[in-house]
Amino acid sequence: QVQLRESGPGLVKPSQTLSLTCTVSGGSISSNSYFWSWIRQPAGKGLEWIGRIYTSGSTNYNPSLKSRVTISVDTSKNQFSLKLSSVTAADTAVYYCARGYWSGWVDPWGQGTLVTVSS
Amino acid sequence: QSALTQPASVSGSPGQSITISCTGTSTDVGDYNYVSWYQQYPGKAPKLMIYDVSNRPSGVSNRFSGSKSGNTASLTISGLQAEDEADYYCSSYTGSSTDVVFGGGTKLTVL
Repeated sequence: QVQLRESGPGLVKPSQTLSLTCTVSGGSISSNSYFWSWIRQPAGKGLEWIGRIYTSGSTNYNPSLKSRVTISVDTSKNQFSLKLSSVTAADTAVYYCARGYWSGWVDPWGQGTLVTVSS
Repeated sequence: QSALTQPASVSGSPGQSITISCTGTSTDVGDYNYVSWYQQYPGKAPKLMIYDVSNRPSGVSNRFSGSKSGNTASLTISGLQAEDEADYYCSSYTGSSTDVVFGGGTKLTVL
């Protein structure tokens, strides 16, 4: 079955760019049925939708993050990526990648990766 | 787009049924039959329990059911078991630039 795994630095300095990659295994990221999503969760808090990308390259972003977010896909590597610029301590969270359907539900999820923003 | 509204906590005894509500607006929950529910244990990734209001993915117990009325969706867990103690989140498609919105989460305690 499809599995997803996040990777990237666990520590990012304030004002710098957070970069994460999600590697998809057990299935093709080029499947026409699915979107590929990023969601985050600050410690002790709820889930926040970051955005998603279709394999065509079409994207949707959370308006509250849109000016700082870029999601891209690399079908040759079966990966998709997240870049979040100008980070602050408020961006410290566990970041999840997930496969989703156009109607919004997501399944499965990656295990999540903690990113801490600190100098 | 504001987050969907869920109760912070609910509780129930083993064998009982509980319902968790998820209130949105006419532009998300009320406008689309695209509400999903997730179960999350501490330190673990969320797991899809219900999609498109009332559909259960393969492998999810039929003790979990979903429904919707107007701007409010609900998750009902019947025959409550100790293993159901977890956080539960709802989510809705919005059809706008926001795309998808989550609820604030509900902590379920099995007494």
